[in-house]
Amino acid sequence: DAGVIQSPRHEVTEMGQEVTLRCKPISGHDYLFWYRQTMMRGLELLIYFNNNVPIDDSGMPEDRFSAKMPNASFSTLKIQPSEPRDSAVYFCASSSWLWGYTFGSGTRLTVV
Amino acid sequence: QQQVKQSPQSLIVQKGGISIINCAYENTAFDYFPWYQQFPGKGPALLIAIRPDVSEKKEGRFTISFNKSAKQFSLHIMDSQPGDSATYFCAARSGNTPLVFGKGTRLSVIA
Repeated sequence: DAGVIQSPRHEVTEMGQEVTLRCKPISGHDYLFWYRQTMMRGLELLIYFNNNVPIDDSGMPEDRFSAKMPNASFSTLKIQPSEPRDSAVYFCASSSWLWGYTFGSGTRLTVV
Repeated sequence: QQQVKQSPQSLIVQKGGISIINCAYENTAFDYFPWYQQFPGKGPALLIAIRPDVSEKKEGRFTISFNKSAKQFSLHIMDSQPGDSATYFCAARSGNTPLVFGKGTRLSVIA
């Protein structure tokens, strides 16, 4: 298995633009997580899904953030409109039974 | 509210020395305590994990020590090598909840 695949690896966008981050989890994993990593706040859980259903989105910072998982092999995290304070590395991770998360390589988002 | 407090933020260790990273928690319902290792440009990867029914777990040069009464756990890296230079995260979870992570420790092993 190729692991958790995230795209793009880097994204630079202007303030106010829509940004979409993509994730392909490991086949067979029934949990998918979106984390945001910053120096100040470390790894923050934004939202997680179980069997494609959102379970807890209380970590999503604002209504500007939304996430979907239309099927077991694909998830998106969308920010609209983007702001400079959204600049961070966004990680997707997947797992079975909440054990042993496998993280993707992340998307480094820069909003200018 | 930070559920897992990790220290130090950064650590410099001589090659061959012992690296020690500490974590403390408050939630006594936590039942799983993993450590993750992250290299630059990569996502965190599971390194070693422990459950509260044991006080120590060792895998190669990496050891987790767990003190349930003090609500603390630590990662020891014996014979630290330059290749161990990375950011280390402790984490914890209870029941069916997702992992909560410490803020990370940046380890530099110098020759």
